[in-house]
Amino acid sequence: EDQVTQSPEALRLQEGESSSLNCSYTVSGLRGLFWYRQDPGKGPEFLFTLYSAGEEKEKERLKATLTKKESFLHITAPKPEDSATYLCAVPSGTGANNLFFGTGTRLTVIP
Amino acid sequence: DADVTQTPRNRITKTGKRIMLECSQTKGHDRMYWYRQDPGLGLRLIYYSFDVKDINKGEISDGYSVSRQAQAKFSLSLESAIPNQTALYFCATSDWTQTGELFFGEGSRLTVL
Repeated sequence: EDQVTQSPEALRLQEGESSSLNCSYTVSGLRGLFWYRQDPGKGPEFLFTLYSAGEEKEKERLKATLTKKESFLHITAPKPEDSATYLCAVPSGTGANNLFFGTGTRLTVIP
Repeated sequence: DADVTQTPRNRITKTGKRIMLECSQTKGHDRMYWYRQDPGLGLRLIYYSFDVKDINKGEISDGYSVSRQAQAKFSLSLESAIPNQTALYFCATSDWTQTGELFFGEGSRLTVL
């Protein structure tokens, strides 16, 4: 059964304190791993797609990496505006667009 | 204007009532989805549609139905609402060439008393 597990559930960081969020997955034949950001009261917003082990993607203070079993979202020198819930997802079912989402990591960056 | 618009944004109703949540998009995408989000359970797929004539059940379709009225419109109905359908509902769209990149609406918060 396809599964996605994210850790930690919640993370509080001081502004400028770098850290990493984890997304571990068990899927048969990975067809991509996707990271989203969700602000309170909003819909998720797409961040990255990773397709193969060793691949990395960057956007501002965020860098996503992928291994054969997990993905990390590294946050370098975070700012309060990086506070959000970060979701990872993998394709599930018959179509690559049917995403199976993890429950997310709620990140709070304190000024 | 938002690319994916959901109405209503908030709705409180009573057990047994019929509820319709509507979604319209200006992205020009063929693929549309309805997800439900509950605390601790994440986003779960209810129904999806790859074009106007294609409707598919997702992970948790029981108690729900959908209608794809046009390429740009996808509605979710609860024929007889029950309290455990209280949740945040999201509509999303995608282009068939960008697998995994979903564009979400801002959500419809439904409370069933």
